[in-house]
Amino acid sequence: DAKTTQPNSMESNEEEPVHLPCNHSTISGTDYIHWYRQLPSQGPEYVIHGLTSNVNNRMASLAIAEDRKSSTLILHRATLRDAAVYYCILSARIYNQGGKLIFGQGTELSVKP
Amino acid sequence: NAGVMQNPRHLVRRRGQEARLRCSPMKGHSHVYWYRQLPEEGLKFMVYLQKENIIDESGMPKERFSAEFPKEGPSILRIQQVVRGDSAAYFCASSPPWGSTEAFFGQGTRLTVV
Repeated sequence: DAKTTQPNSMESNEEEPVHLPCNHSTISGTDYIHWYRQLPSQGPEYVIHGLTSNVNNRMASLAIAEDRKSSTLILHRATLRDAAVYYCILSARIYNQGGKLIFGQGTELSVKP
Repeated sequence: NAGVMQNPRHLVRRRGQEARLRCSPMKGHSHVYWYRQLPEEGLKFMVYLQKENIIDESGMPKERFSAEFPKEGPSILRIQQVVRGDSAAYFCASSPPWGSTEAFFGQGTRLTVV
């Protein structure tokens, strides 16, 4: 599985947008970009995923660079509940193996009131 | 539809005892994955199971650890003769049989070996 690089930590103010970057320069053509987050003392939670085009859902947006070597998770208005470790993960779309994920260290996001 | 259920949430074992961690996947899900998160470390894949089959155990320690997912009942992660280094949070995830790009995680079992 291709490797991703994320900043160790980031800070945000409540109700402001947050841009969480991820570099994945060795991404292959069949790799999907997934984002999960892990709130304190909780299991990981799916956030969003994409392949080439930008994606939006109720939780966040995912902006993918044209060359796919980097992506950015965007939280439009951070809340205190968004304080978590955010993981950017690459995973090939292998049938029946959607759950095997290789987690890196992630970015620890803190949100200030 | 209940989420992935893991029990117990907290488990304390003395060195040398056995630990049995249970995971009930989401309804309709037949694929189960176990992950381990050591203190101050990231999540590490351990094993991927389908009903009655181990598909990928590349992340399982070679000794003392085993996993099963029987035809009926929850998936079980079993750790024999626990040592202090086994103290960690163990998470289970499930996904549906038709394949998915999303995994659904349980709340985890926090194992403490004293």
